[in-house]
Amino acid sequence: ELKVEQNPLFLSMQEGKNYTIYCNYSTTSDRLYWYRQDPGKSLESLFVLLSNGAVKQEGRLMASLDTKARLSTLHITAAVHDLSATYFCAGYLQGAQKLVFGQGTRLTINP
Amino acid sequence: DAGVTQSPTHLIKTRGQHVTLRCSPISGHKSVSWYQQVLGQGPQFIFQYYEKEERGRGNFPDRFSARQFPNYSSELNVNALLLGDSALYLCASSLGSSNQPQHFGDGTRLSIL
Repeated sequence: ELKVEQNPLFLSMQEGKNYTIYCNYSTTSDRLYWYRQDPGKSLESLFVLLSNGAVKQEGRLMASLDTKARLSTLHITAAVHDLSATYFCAGYLQGAQKLVFGQGTRLTINP
Repeated sequence: DAGVTQSPTHLIKTRGQHVTLRCSPISGHKSVSWYQQVLGQGPQFIFQYYEKEERGRGNFPDRFSARQFPNYSSELNVNALLLGDSALYLCASSLGSSNQPQHFGDGTRLSIL
C-alpha cells in the first residue's frame, strides 16, 4: 500500500528566504503530484512529475523527483507572502486509479 | 471554460440522514474521482469513475456510494450519516489518460449535527 509522508508539517519562514518541503513515499508510484490549497479553498494543481530526475519550475517554486530514493522535493526560492498556503504532494496508483496524499505542509511566509 | 463544478457548496445534516452531492466535470473529461478531506488532513480517496464504470474504490464503508451519468457528471451518496462524515468532499476530473493531472472542484462542505 502506498503511503506518502511530508515534512515538515508546519513551516514558518521570512520573505526572501529559501526552503524545501520533502515528500517521501513508500512504494513505487506511477507519478507524483504537487498541489496548493488556500484556506477554505480547493486544490490547485502545481506540478506533475512523471519520471526519475524530472524537474519542473514555475516562478519561485521548483519540484523534483528521485524515484530511486522515493523522494520528491518542492523548493521555494526567495519566498513571498503570496506563497503562504498548504502544499500537498500525492502519489498516483495506476492500478487503483487513485491519488494518495501526504498530510500537507502548512507554509506561512512572514514579511 | 468552466472548471469542475460541485453542488451544493455547503450542507448541514443530522445524524442518520442521507445526502447526495453532485459534480460536473470539465468539458471533455471522462474521469471523475471523489475525495473526503477532514479538517487539517490530506484528501482521502473514495471513488473513481471512468466512462460510467467504477474503476477504483477507497477504504470507505458501504454507506458511501456513487455513480456517473452518460454526460459524465457524477453523484456521491452517503447514507446513515455519522458525525465523523463531517468534511469537505472534493470532486476531481481528468481526461483519463495516465499523464494528466486531476482538476479539483471547490468542494462541498458537509456538516453533521
